[in-house]
Formats: sequence, C-alpha cells, structure tokens
Amino acid sequence: QKEVEQDPGPLSVPEGAIVSLNCTYSNSAFQYFMWYRQYSRKGPELLMYTYSSGNKEDGRFTAQVDKSSKYISLFIRDSQPSDSATYLCAMSEEGYNKLIFGAGTRLAVHP
Amino acid sequence: GAGVSQTPSNKVTEKGKYVELRCDPISGHTALYWYRQSLGQGPEFLIYFQGTGAADDSGLPNDRFFAVRPEGSVSTLKIQRTERGDSAVYLCASSFGSTPELFFGEGSRLTVL
Repeated sequence: QKEVEQDPGPLSVPEGAIVSLNCTYSNSAFQYFMWYRQYSRKGPELLMYTYSSGNKEDGRFTAQVDKSSKYISLFIRDSQPSDSATYLCAMSEEGYNKLIFGAGTRLAVHP
Repeated sequence: GAGVSQTPSNKVTEKGKYVELRCDPISGHTALYWYRQSLGQGPEFLIYFQGTGAADDSGLPNDRFFAVRPEGSVSTLKIQRTERGDSAVYLCASSFGSTPELFFGEGSRLTVL
C-alpha cells in the first residue's frame, strides 16, 4: 500500500461545477498538506498549503484536512476550463523536506 | 531568472551512457530538491540539498545516481550507465529555508533507448 493514495480519474465536469478532489494517507506523522496543479509538460505549481488539521480558503479553492480520518480534500468552486490539469496532493512530516506525492487526479472542465 | 531553470528540457540517450541534468534554482533559495516523475505518477523524492551539502539522499535509487551542488546554487544530477527504467521527467525544485513550499522547474525529460 502506498503512503498516499489518490484516485487518478480522469474526472470530467461541466464549466461552473463544484469539483471535489481527495487523498487518503497512512502515515500519522504527516503535518504539512499541499495541493499542486500540474499542466501538461509543465512542473507542479503550489496551489494551497495547510499545516495540521482544518480548512483553508483561497478564492475558488478550499482545502480541508481531517487528520483523524487521514483524509484531505480540495474543492474547486465555479470550475473553469483553465482549471483543466492534473491535481497532485503532497504531504510531509514535521521538520522534513521530503514531500510524498499522490499519483495525481486528471481533471477536465468542458465549456 | 524568475523561476527554477532546468536544462536540457529533453535528453535522448542510449542505454549505458552517462547523463548530466542541470538545475538553476530561484535566486536566494537555500534548499534544492530533485524529484523524478514517471508517466501517470506523482513526483518521487530523490535528494534534498540545504546549501552545498546533501541533507537527505535517501531517495536516490542506487549508486548510479549522484547529485552535487558545489557552490550552494546550481545543482547537477548525474546518472551513470543509464538504463531504460531511468526514463522519466526529472524535476528540480527550490525553496527559501526549511519550508515545504517548493517551487518546481519544468523538468528534464530523459528517454533512454
């Protein structure tokens, strides 16, 4: 079993839909939780970054962390075609700089 | 430059050859990372530098892989006796200090024939 599990999709939604992306993990020592967006043939770009449990909102994006369930989510409101990309969750332990990534979920938002 | 720069963007080589991949981090970033991303997978950690020294090289798959950062800025990932299984995109990232917020380059796509 991988340390971080992520449904690879692909996920196809109409423009304006609310998108929910999720990851589960097994290492209870993870303290930092990140979501990266990766366009085709580009490097990952940090979207949001949360420490420990709780919610964080940034514009149309909301990240949630539930450490008791070892489950994290990214919600995208009013999705746009420009949101079409692969979304990667990543995690690390306190004091570590080694990120453990999920396999990524491919999202397609069609007009 | 404004972002992390990686060269070459594409490299095709033959099995058994030696390859060097270069990374130029964001100016002022003290931490530098190498990750490897295979098709359909997330990036996999290889090595992390803080300054000139390798603080964590636990992700290097075997002794054919080696990385240096002699002056605490530019880094080179070196792969000896390449194998077809080494084919992947090699991503470099940098960060300021010890923060998990990494800034990635566009990667070097390595194909071993």
